[in-house]
Amino acid sequence: GAGVSQSPRYKVAKRGQDVALRCDPISGHVSLFWYQQALGQGPEFLTYFQNEAQLDKSGLPSDRFFAERPEGSVSTLKIQRTQQEDSAVYLCASSLAGPNQPQHFGDGTRLSIL
Amino acid sequence: AQKVTQAQTEISVVEKEDVTLDCVYETRDTTYYLFWYKQPPSGELVFLIRRNSFDEQNEISGRYSWNFQKSTSSFNFTITASQVVDSAVYFCALSPWEGGSEKLVFGKGTKLTVNP
Repeated sequence: GAGVSQSPRYKVAKRGQDVALRCDPISGHVSLFWYQQALGQGPEFLTYFQNEAQLDKSGLPSDRFFAERPEGSVSTLKIQRTQQEDSAVYLCASSLAGPNQPQHFGDGTRLSIL
Repeated sequence: AQKVTQAQTEISVVEKEDVTLDCVYETRDTTYYLFWYKQPPSGELVFLIRRNSFDEQNEISGRYSWNFQKSTSSFNFTITASQVVDSAVYFCALSPWEGGSEKLVFGKGTKLTVNP
């Protein structure tokens, strides 16, 4: 497809389990971003890659959150030992390089921690 | 240091009314970029417009127009003759270019409901 693809669309996990969320960016997009969106709020930045390099991870809320993009294309956001406050929609976006480039978003993964 | 404020949480209008969504931003950077995104009920954020800090020209695209004023740090969005399909949450976002990061700082959004 032409857009950013995220999977799974929905994920339910028990507290304490590990989860992995996948993002497939638009072909040719160098930059890839992860955001967390709580209900009724704006997206909050988590981390950003340029190709395979993670250039900014200042938004990751704890060391339980880990992201990778080993070949500069698909990215995975992993959350270890999930907690209820991790419940949110996780959005992935991709863009051409540069802060002036519009970011194109996927549909998100809705994560619910029971 | 970087912040976007959308003071209007929810707005409800009747179809064909004009509506303006407010956005005020804070940044110490001299170079920055501003964006508006639309999030319909389906959930996917859709890019609407980009403006850089050196370009204060207003822009019009069909029924949409944007007013950027550096003096008041505002980047407001007006929909003329609103339609039911305009119902969505609208986000204003700032790309502060702080430390070279390309991250976006979003406001909390304004939920617009256009009633028939």
